[in-house]
Amino acid sequence: SAVISQKPSRDICQRGTSLTIQCQVDSQVTMMFWYRQQPGQSLTLIATANQGSEATYESGFVIDKFPISRPNLTFSTLTVSNMSPEDSSIYLCSVERPNSYEQYFGPGTRLTVT
Amino acid sequence: AQTVTQSQPEMSVQEAETVTLSCTYDTSENNYYLFWYKQPPSRQMILVIRQEAYKQQNATENRFSVNFQKAAKSFSLKISDSQLGDTAMYFCAFLRYSGGGADGLTFGKGTHLIIQP
Repeated sequence: SAVISQKPSRDICQRGTSLTIQCQVDSQVTMMFWYRQQPGQSLTLIATANQGSEATYESGFVIDKFPISRPNLTFSTLTVSNMSPEDSSIYLCSVERPNSYEQYFGPGTRLTVT
Repeated sequence: AQTVTQSQPEMSVQEAETVTLSCTYDTSENNYYLFWYKQPPSRQMILVIRQEAYKQQNATENRFSVNFQKAAKSFSLKISDSQLGDTAMYFCAFLRYSGGGADGLTFGKGTHLIIQP
């Protein structure tokens, strides 16, 4: 499986500010995904990020709030904009192993908004 | 849209025992995969096992095996000879695919499994 890193691993931010989370993979992948895990909850898909195309957002998530970049086949960023305490969550990126449909996850970014 | 249901919020067993975690799902899709993921306190999501819906044979990975009942839309995970390191949240997940690629995963709410020494 691919080695996936995320930066930062955690952060504490003030409401109204923005945070950009980075996801780096050690091999080229087509499909990358961003998920949110609210405290004590399961994972919810935010968006799918394919290189060379606009990200596809799930219902309840919008580009203005969660802009995503996918500049190449090994890197993606998720920005959480104009944060409120309700955005306090773990944000995880995942990649799909080619030709397998298996997804492997990064270690997550724990975000606390005060 | 598909849904995944895990009806056991928490389970506790003794070390070396066998435990089965339940998962049911609802979908009208024909092309899909099912997965079990493990999330220990480190919060790293770890893929445990996968099942292709078109395969009748149940998947196995060492001490982990599944009981896939497609007609009943049931996908349970059996852990044999449980170990302390198996203590974690376990999530059942559904993935739809087509010729254009795959969707993201739809997760159940999870089961917190505690292995007692």
